[in-house]
Amino acid sequence: NAGVTQTPKFQVLKTGQSMTLQCAQDMNHEYMSWYRQDPGMGLRLIHYSVGAGITDQGEVPNGYNVSRSTTEDFPLRLLSAAPSQTSVYFCASSGRPETQYFGPGTRLLVL
Amino acid sequence: DQQVKQNSPSLSVQEGRISILNCDYTNSMFDYFLWYKKYPAEGPTFLISISSIKDKNEDGRFTVFLNKSAKHLSLHIVPSQPGDSAVYFCAASGTSYGKLTFGQGTILTVHP
Repeated sequence: NAGVTQTPKFQVLKTGQSMTLQCAQDMNHEYMSWYRQDPGMGLRLIHYSVGAGITDQGEVPNGYNVSRSTTEDFPLRLLSAAPSQTSVYFCASSGRPETQYFGPGTRLLVL
Repeated sequence: DQQVKQNSPSLSVQEGRISILNCDYTNSMFDYFLWYKKYPAEGPTFLISISSIKDKNEDGRFTVFLNKSAKHLSLHIVPSQPGDSAVYFCAASGTSYGKLTFGQGTILTVHP
């Protein structure tokens, strides 16, 4: 099992550009989530999904879109990148309430 | 309004001694509490969790204690090892367990 995989590892964008961060899991988990980590703030939930076709907003959803067409994939789209979206992004999946598995992260720099 | 707080930004202990990491929460509706370890440039790694109906859970060198009346949990690492040096996050989830609320993290340094 690869677990949770994320691509790319690192990306530089210019303000106003759009991009998609990819996330995939091979554990057949129903729950998938996206978080961002900023210095001194822990991880904050952007969007999450409780199954294919079902998504909902987290704590900081503005500027991001998600969709869940399959159980395995949960891409995160930045519609028009802003410097405030410079962060490290983590995808996670869960099949049980007592644990959640994280990917290695995507480091994003918006100039 | 931070629902999960780790008030100690850092902790330094000697190898072989006990490390105690603390976490406070405000939302009494949380069902599960989780601890993660994170190295630089890596994703968080799950360590141990506890259900809100329990007061203790143990896994090897790691033990988590939950005090619901005080809305406080702690992670004990015994004995501490230099490889335990990392950032530790506590997190909590409610009925929708795809949603975790994280504390700010505590940097643990274990000196040889």
